[in-house]
Amino acid sequence: EVQLVESGGGVARPGGSLRLSCAASGFTFDDYGMSWVRQAPGKGLEWVSGINWNGGSIGYADYVKGRFTISRDNAKNSLYLHMNSLRVEDTALYHCARNPTGAYYYDMDVWGKGTTVTVSS
Amino acid sequence: EIVLTQSPGTLSLSPGERATLSCRASQSVSSSYLAWYQQKPGQAPRLLIYGASSRATGIPGRFSGSGSGTDFTLTISRLEPEDFAVYSCQQYGDSPITFGQGTRLEIK
Repeated sequence: EVQLVESGGGVARPGGSLRLSCAASGFTFDDYGMSWVRQAPGKGLEWVSGINWNGGSIGYADYVKGRFTISRDNAKNSLYLHMNSLRVEDTALYHCARNPTGAYYYDMDVWGKGTTVTVSS
Repeated sequence: EIVLTQSPGTLSLSPGERATLSCRASQSVSSSYLAWYQQKPGQAPRLLIYGASSRATGIPGRFSGSGSGTDFTLTISRLEPEDFAVYSCQQYGDSPITFGQGTRLEIK
């Protein structure tokens, strides 16, 4: 079964850090680009970052650029999001998602259920 | 950045009726790189349509997408009880990738 399972969410103080992980199974991980998408409570979906199949092409939304870092370990079938300088407005459910090709600039055909990040003082 | 505006915000219909959801872009979406997703409470989004009009794997034929340029439509021909959910559009033709704010389809 194709599956994505996120972990690493929790509560952080403003200015703090968290590292999210996404474990992939049921498909050949290094054939696909991957993305992080978040959803604040009561709000719509918001693209955060994407990475191509080998990590050679990466993109970020302006509101996380310079604070968040996406990476992947193909040997471990895992995707990561390092989140620094967290802000209250980063509070959201964070989903990892598979792009249907090796690039990340596409739609997203497989999604995880998400991990919750709460930034509060 | 391409802003996607979905309308209506909420659509109230009955099972068996036809649903028409709109997604309008602030500028042309290149190569019709537009997708539609369905999301139910407590669940991950589900890809319905990509490339503006191609159904994703396993998506029933009652779902169809159309449009180009700045105007796109998701149509559900005959609503089933399980279709009541939130629907979001996404463009991936221009940087950054953006989503619409969603349309809530509720039972009348």
